[in-house]
Amino acid sequence: QVQLVESGGGVVQPGGSLRLSCAASGFTFSSYGMHWVRQAPGKGLEWVAFIRYDGSNKYYADSVKGRFTISRDNSKNTLYLQMNSLRAEDTAVYYCAKDLADGDYEFIFDYWGQGTLVTVSS
Amino acid sequence: SSELTQDPAVSVALGQTVRITCQGDSLRSYYASWYQQKPGQAPVLVIYGKNNRPSGIPDRFSGSSSGNTASLTITGAQAEDEADYYCNSRDSSGNHLAVFGGGTKLTVL
Repeated sequence: QVQLVESGGGVVQPGGSLRLSCAASGFTFSSYGMHWVRQAPGKGLEWVAFIRYDGSNKYYADSVKGRFTISRDNSKNTLYLQMNSLRAEDTAVYYCAKDLADGDYEFIFDYWGQGTLVTVSS
Repeated sequence: SSELTQDPAVSVALGQTVRITCQGDSLRSYYASWYQQKPGQAPVLVIYGKNNRPSGIPDRFSGSSSGNTASLTITGAQAEDEADYYCNSRDSSGNHLAVFGGGTKLTVL
């Protein structure tokens, strides 16, 4: 069965950096686009970033563009999110999610990890 | 970028039918997808495309769309359906973005 397991969350000071990882199993990771979606405490879902199956295209929400970088290592079945210049408003649970489409993208999230909490605070 | 608007809260009597709506310009171009999220859990996809249910989702969940409005209907709501529901779609501005609605808290009475 599909499994997505995030790691790397924690407490970081404003202006700091953090790298999240998402280990994938149960499907052909190299065939699917992947996303990061976040949820601030008590708030709704916010899409953060997408990377195409082969890493050739990456898209970002305006709120993180220029500060966050999505990447993947298909040899390790792992998705990453490098987060720099962190702000208090980046505090959230970060989920990795698999795109429904095989080889393309639909921006439909058919499997989600359990999330990892990032807290930006001094 | 586009926005999707949902009612913050909806309630339904046990066994009755409830419709949760989502409005936005992007829905004129793209179907909405719907996600169920229970407290402390990750979201789960319940409806996508014209009216498709992933494996394991009960058939009491259905989706529809008209103009700029998408709807999630639960026919015969169960206690376990009490949750937050989010719609999402692709952004229609051509910027390769995804957008979510603000979410609807469903209470089953």
